[in-house]
Amino acid sequence: DAKTTQPPSMDCAEGRAANLPCNHSTISGNEYVYWYRQIHSQGPQYIIHGLKNNETNEMASLIITEDRKSSTLILPHATLRDTAVYYCIVTGFGNEKLTFGTGTRLTIIP
Amino acid sequence: DAGVIQSPRHEVTEMGQEVTLRCKPISGHNSLFWYRQTMMRGLELLIYFNNNVPIDDSGMPEDRFSAKMPNASFSTLKIQPSEPRDSAVYFCASSPQEGHQPQHFGDGTRLSIL
Repeated sequence: DAKTTQPPSMDCAEGRAANLPCNHSTISGNEYVYWYRQIHSQGPQYIIHGLKNNETNEMASLIITEDRKSSTLILPHATLRDTAVYYCIVTGFGNEKLTFGTGTRLTIIP
Repeated sequence: DAGVIQSPRHEVTEMGQEVTLRCKPISGHNSLFWYRQTMMRGLELLIYFNNNVPIDDSGMPEDRFSAKMPNASFSTLKIQPSEPRDSAVYFCASSPQEGHQPQHFGDGTRLSIL
């Protein structure tokens, strides 16, 4: 599976959009980009995933660059409850294994 | 809908004792995963099952660790004998097997070996 690179930490003001970047320059054509988050003392929570098109759900939007070498997770109106560690994971189709890196610790500032 | 249920939530025991962690996956999910999380190593996959059959146990640290899934609604992770370095949070997750489906995690078992 492709390796991902994320900034270790970010801050965002409450009510603003939080944009979390992820680099995955070695991604191959059949590999998906997944985002999970882990709020303190809880199990990881699935947010969104995509292959090459931008995706949106009730939690977030995922923007994948045309060359697929990077992506951005967007939380449109961050709240204090969005404070968590966010993990970007790349995994191949049919591969159920998720390899969690160190993620980005997002802190929402009141 | 009930999520993934893990028990116990917390376990404190002395080294050398046998520890059994339990997991009930979401009904209808065919895949089950056991993870371990520590400050030093982060979140690591230990083993996963498809349709109750172990598929990949390459993450199991050593023979002291074993996992079983006797039926579709129950799995155990056992450590015997336990050691202080086994102290961690252990998570269970499940997912539907078809295609690319997200994993749903339980709240974890916080294990402390004294």
